[in-house]
Amino acid sequence: EVQLVESGGGLVKPGGSLRLSCAASGFSFRRHNMHWVRQAPGKGLEWVASISSGGSYINYADSLKGRFTVARDNVKNSMSLEMNSLRVEDTAVYYCAREEGVRSTSLDSWGQGTLVTVSS
Amino acid sequence: QPVLTQPPSVSGAPRQTVTISCTGTSSNIGAGFDVHWYQQLPGTAPKLLIFANTNRPSGVPDRFSGSKSGTSASLAITGLQAEDEADYYCQSYDNSLSASVFGGGTKVTVL
Repeated sequence: EVQLVESGGGLVKPGGSLRLSCAASGFSFRRHNMHWVRQAPGKGLEWVASISSGGSYINYADSLKGRFTVARDNVKNSMSLEMNSLRVEDTAVYYCAREEGVRSTSLDSWGQGTLVTVSS
Repeated sequence: QPVLTQPPSVSGAPRQTVTISCTGTSSNIGAGFDVHWYQQLPGTAPKLLIFANTNRPSGVPDRFSGSKSGTSASLAITGLQAEDEADYYCQSYDNSLSASVFGGGTKVTVL
């Protein structure tokens, strides 16, 4: 069974940093591109970043470039999201998701999400 | 503002059909990029509902169908059921942004 488990969320002050992790199991992690998607309270889904299966190709939402860094470890079957200079508007549930990759670019498996709250 | 435009809400009675539109531009849907649809039940993570415009993953009822034409895509739910009350999101890729993009989401209410 495919499982994605996010961790690392919590309360942080504006300007602070936080590192999220996504632990993957039940599938060949190294074969899939992975994504981070976030959802502010009561709002819609917002794509954050993606990283290719080998880690060579990384994309970020324009509004986040320079503050967020995504990485992956194909030995440990994990992905991370380093978030710096956090703002109140970064408050959201952060989901990691797997890109299906064979038949489509759809996100076919999602974690349960981890809540990041940026507040003084 | 989301790159893909969806109506904020749609509603229908049980057994009726509702349709959710997803309007993009020549940089995303109109450029030929696939559209995917997700269902998000209250308090849960999104779930893939339709991939590559028209395809249903295993386990998704055939009451859900997708289509795409030009710069728009649509999700239809036929034979609406109470359990279909949820938020629905479309997603595609935008080559001017070099980014994946979501619609703003549509809340489906079963009357």
